[in-house]
Amino acid sequence: EAGVAQSPRYKIIEKRQSVAFWCNPISGHATLYWYQQILGQGPKLLIQFQNNGVVDDSQLPKDRFSAERLKGVDSTLKIQPAKLEDSAVYLCASSPGTEAFFGQGTRLTVV
Amino acid sequence: EDQVTQSPEALRLQEGESSSLNCSYTVSGLRGLFWYRQDPGKGPEFLFTLYSAGEEKEKERLKATLTKKESFLHITAPKPEDSATYLCAVQASDYKLSFGAGTTVTVRA
Repeated sequence: EAGVAQSPRYKIIEKRQSVAFWCNPISGHATLYWYQQILGQGPKLLIQFQNNGVVDDSQLPKDRFSAERLKGVDSTLKIQPAKLEDSAVYLCASSPGTEAFFGQGTRLTVV
Repeated sequence: EDQVTQSPEALRLQEGESSSLNCSYTVSGLRGLFWYRQDPGKGPEFLFTLYSAGEEKEKERLKATLTKKESFLHITAPKPEDSATYLCAVQASDYKLSFGAGTTVTVRA
């Protein structure tokens, strides 16, 4: 069974630029999560989708972050404009309802 | 708000020296408690799901247990390849998945 796919793996941008991350979840998984993981910390939930509807986005900085899930499958997370403190690993996970399975993540460096 | 606290932050063990990691939690309507392993530069890898107090799960040298307020991950006779960060997460009734900060385990040969 194919796992959660994320791209790109690495991205370096200058502050105030925009960036987008892509996630393809495991087929059939209704729930999709985006997490931000800063070095040395646990993953912090940014947004949770159930099919193509948003369940929780209370910790998403909506002035600069946006996310969508197309047709309840693939998802994109966008940052515009980026700040230095956005440097982190962005993890996508999908779940059939219980345990979540993670992709390899995208490491973002903002300089 | 759901909270997950893991201790200790870091654990250094000699090969063969057994130990335990703690995960204490508060959550509204626990659907499940999960343990993950994370290696540097990789995404978290699923290990166990525990659903109710008293439940235990085992996998090789790892054993996870659950009470109403905390979970323990016991590592028996660890090997260097068990070195990793171990993450605990709780899933609430709304399917929200909240993580602790993790415990970084280093096993020396």
